[in-house]
Amino acid sequence: EAQVTQNPRYLITVTGKKLTVTCSQNMNHEYMSWYRQDPGLGLRQIYYSMNVEVTDKGDVPEGYKVSRKEKRNFPLILESPSPNQTSLYFCASSRHNTEAFFGQGTRLTVV
Amino acid sequence: SQKIEQNSEALNIQEGKTATLTCNYTNYSPAYLQWYRQDPGRGPVFLLLIRENEKEKRKERLKVTFDTTLKQSLFHITASQPADSATYLCAPMNSGYSTLTFGKGTMLLVSP
Repeated sequence: EAQVTQNPRYLITVTGKKLTVTCSQNMNHEYMSWYRQDPGLGLRQIYYSMNVEVTDKGDVPEGYKVSRKEKRNFPLILESPSPNQTSLYFCASSRHNTEAFFGQGTRLTVV
Repeated sequence: SQKIEQNSEALNIQEGKTATLTCNYTNYSPAYLQWYRQDPGRGPVFLLLIRENEKEKRKERLKVTFDTTLKQSLFHITASQPADSATYLCAPMNSGYSTLTFGKGTMLLVSP
């Protein structure tokens, strides 16, 4: 089954404790992205990648890192999480200019 | 700067009626425009993609129009059902870009 898998689904952590949210897709898509969604602000793009070893900043990249060492994986790294990074996060993948497939989401709380 | 505007107020309609949602954009010259459905706490799900040279596209009860002169797309759901209640997002895409930027979405509530 074609899918984008994020882990974990839920995470509560403390300020400053490094964490990684994993994202994996099994469709051999070139493009992968991370979004965060907050009430009233909609989906905002954090980082995206057009292929292996190619990443670029989205609209709200501060406080986040990503890597694309393999085509199927695109982890999101929070080196020093802060409470303003409490949000619902989505990973997505697609081919060039086609529909995007989204993961099931990761609800992160930073206390 | 680029803007995507969708009606922030929820659209309430009765079952069986046609729902029409609007997406307006500025400072885009989109070659494509996509519509997605999102249920609370879940990832968006792709519905339709329309190209700039297509005025209209249909899929079952869904219809999308794309007017590049007005810089607007309309999304219609005919014979709406309570199960259609969700937030609907539009995403115009410039030619050559593959990163998706979404409008904030319009919530549709279909009552029995």
